[in-house]
Formats: sequence, structure tokens, C-alpha cells
Amino acid sequence: EAQVTQNPRYLITVTGKKLTVTCSQNMNHEYMSWYRQDPGLGLRQIYYSMNVEVTDKGDVPEGYKVSRKEKRNFPLILESPSPNQTSLYFCASSLSFSDEQYFGPGTRLTVT
Amino acid sequence: QKEVEQNSGPLSVPEGAIASLNCTYSDRVSQSFFWYRQYSGKSPELIMSIYSNGDKEDGRFTAQLNKASQYVSLLIRDSQPSDSATYLCAVNPNAGNMLTFGGGTRLMVKP
Repeated sequence: EAQVTQNPRYLITVTGKKLTVTCSQNMNHEYMSWYRQDPGLGLRQIYYSMNVEVTDKGDVPEGYKVSRKEKRNFPLILESPSPNQTSLYFCASSLSFSDEQYFGPGTRLTVT
Repeated sequence: QKEVEQNSGPLSVPEGAIASLNCTYSDRVSQSFFWYRQYSGKSPELIMSIYSNGDKEDGRFTAQLNKASQYVSLLIRDSQPSDSATYLCAVNPNAGNMLTFGGGTRLMVKP
């Protein structure tokens, strides 16, 4: 089944404790992206990747890192999480940047 | 001015009616347009894509694109309570790399 998976689905952590949210797609898509969604602010792009080893900042990259060492994986790293990073996070992928994006199930992160 | 604008709603329609959702965008060279449906707490799900002016129909859904006026709309015929969700319009500029989402319109279909 073609899909985008994210792990973990739910995470509660404390300020400053490094964490990684994994994202994997099995559709051989070149383009992958991370979004955060907050009430009243809609979907905001954090980082995106056009292909392996090619990443770039989106609208809200501060406090986040990404890497794209393999085509299928695009992990999101929070080196020192803060409470303002409490949010619902979505990973998405598409064949190319202009094609429709397919979303993972989401990761609800709470930073206390 | 936001790049992609939608009325946040809620838009309330009775069951069986036509729901009309609108989206305007600012970048004249935009080429790709998408409608997503998102249930509360769930991920966005692609409903329709449209690339050229005119109408595109898929079941009860019709997407309409007017590039001259810079708007794209989604019509939902015979609305059902299960259609109650937030509908996100997304636009991809030809010259850019980022799919830009509108804030979404919340649709409520009342039995």
C-alpha cells in the first residue's frame, strides 16, 4: 500500500530534550516536506527536500533540522525543543514539487 | 495580503444542498491547484487537482478554475453530514518550490 508513515504518532517531552520524528514514504517520491499545524494559523511549511541531499527552509524553519540521506526518509529533528513547538506535525511527499502531496497521519507533539 | 485566501467559515449547508467553497490566490503564474479535505485531528486528504481553466468533475465534487480572476472553487453536490470537515485550497507557483495552503474553510452539513 502506497503510504507516508510517521513515528511517533504522539509524543510528550520536556524542554531541551532532543527528539527526532521519523518520516518514510514507499512511493519513490522525490519531493518531501514537513508542516506544522496550529489552531488559527493553518498549515505552515517547516522544511522541504527536492531530492536526496537537497533540503531548504520553508516558512518556519527556526528550531528545526532535517536531513535527506535516502530518498524514502526525511526525519525532522528538534535539537532543543521548546513549548512553542507544541503542535501537530505532518510529513508529506510528492512525485515532484508541482504534484499533489500525500500526507502522513501526523505527530502530535507536546513540549512541557 | 496572504498568497492563498479562504473564508474560514463555518459554512453551514443543509443535507442535500450544494456547498460552494472559494479560494483566491495572488500569484498570477500559479499553475497547479489542489483541494484537500481535513477532518479534525486527521491529515489532509487530496480530493481534486486542477491545472487548466474550466470545470473538472469527480463524482459529487466539481473544481472550477479561473486564472484570469485568480480564483478556484470547489462545489460539493448533494452534501452529506460526512462532508463536514475543513477544506484546504493549495496553490503551487510555477516559479517556486512551495505548495502554499490557504487557511481552510470549515464546512458543516446539517441533517
